[in-house]
Amino acid sequence: AAGVIQSPRHLIKEKRETATLKCYPIPRHDTVYWYQQGPGQDPQFLISFYEKMQSDKGSIPDRFSAQQFSDYHSELNMSSLELGDSALYFCASSLVFGRQGTYEQYFGPGTRLTVT
Amino acid sequence: DQQVKQNSPSLSVQEGRISILNCDYTNSMFDYFLWYKKYPAEGPTFLISISSIKDKNEDGRFTVFLNKSAKHLSLHIVPSQPGDSAVYFCAASVGQGGSEKLVFGKGTKLTVNP
Repeated sequence: AAGVIQSPRHLIKEKRETATLKCYPIPRHDTVYWYQQGPGQDPQFLISFYEKMQSDKGSIPDRFSAQQFSDYHSELNMSSLELGDSALYFCASSLVFGRQGTYEQYFGPGTRLTVT
Repeated sequence: DQQVKQNSPSLSVQEGRISILNCDYTNSMFDYFLWYKKYPAEGPTFLISISSIKDKNEDGRFTVFLNKSAKHLSLHIVPSQPGDSAVYFCAASVGQGGSEKLVFGKGTKLTVNP
């Protein structure tokens, strides 16, 4: 079965540079979530989109922005990168509309961002 | 403030025995709970979930128990297998069975010894 695809898998950037992370949800899923996992930490929710509209916002810095496109893929744009932004960034997707019952989130493999 | 707590950072069990992973939460608004398994360099893999209207959900070797009054849930794996060795995250959400943002615990590293 098709899973969530994230690209790139690894990214190395210098301080103050910008980075763009991409997420391709499971086909027919309508909701995308972004999470950040620092070393030894639990995943922290950043932002989510339902049907291309922002649906919820967590602890996402103002330097970061995200959007969901007409084909449902999503991009997380990160500017003025700081050393503390080094982390694993996970994208998850789920099918919310039209389902009855539960809406488990399925995660991609993550993008490991290293800021030097 | 950690709303979802996994107080055991690690657990080691013998193959064939039962593994019990525990999770406590503080937010009484949580109404949907999930367990994810994570291998290094991979994303979390959904294992099993439970709604707050239930107290037990079973799927093969995996059973999740929910005690709402104690704000406690546990994941039982029987029998444990070496391939179960991974980090297990407990997660919770408010509303609509998991469609909202997930709040994670810090994870428990399970090691199943042959």
